[in-house]
Amino acid sequence: GAGVSQSPRYKVAKRGQDVALRCDPISGHVSLFWYQQALGQGPEFLTYFQNEAQLDKSGLPSDRFFAERPEGSVSTLKIQRTQQEDSAVYLCASSLVYRDQPQHFGDGTRLSIL
Amino acid sequence: AQSVTQLGSHVSVSEGALVLLRCNYSSSVPPYLFWYVQYPNQGLQLLLKYTSAATLVKGINGFEAEFKKSETSFHLTKPSAHMSDAAEYFCAKTGTASKLTFGTGTRLQVTL
Repeated sequence: GAGVSQSPRYKVAKRGQDVALRCDPISGHVSLFWYQQALGQGPEFLTYFQNEAQLDKSGLPSDRFFAERPEGSVSTLKIQRTQQEDSAVYLCASSLVYRDQPQHFGDGTRLSIL
Repeated sequence: AQSVTQLGSHVSVSEGALVLLRCNYSSSVPPYLFWYVQYPNQGLQLLLKYTSAATLVKGINGFEAEFKKSETSFHLTKPSAHMSDAAEYFCAKTGTASKLTFGTGTRLQVTL
């Protein structure tokens, strides 16, 4: 059974470039989450989808960050005009819809901005 | 503030010794609590969860945790540490929303 798949695993970009990170959740999981994990820290919530609806984007740090899940399955996190402080691991997780259900995480995308 | 606090950013134990990783939470509603483990360059793997059934929760790899409402704690324990337990451990909760709020993590080192 496939777990949550994220690509690319590693991304290096120059400051000012745009990047796109992909997440393929577990089949049948309605909920999809994006988290940002800085070095030596716990993950911090970015945004949440239920099917194709983005229900919570309160954690997105600026309007340079944009996420979508147009068909309720694969999701893309896009960062425009990247800055050095965007360097982090971006984790995607999926789950069934209820808040007591555990979230299943992908291995993350490590983003480095030069 | 709704938060999760993990006491001790680094814990070192000898192989075969008791593992105790501390987690305290604050929440205005009954929380759901989780422990996750993270190995280097990997995502987070669920160890166990508390969802208001039994207060003593058993998880994978011999780990367990006890929910104590009076102490707002959810400490993780394992009777006998193994070298393969060396990793980063995160306590997390959900509140009124489904998003997870994580503690800052505890790095467990296991020595011979």
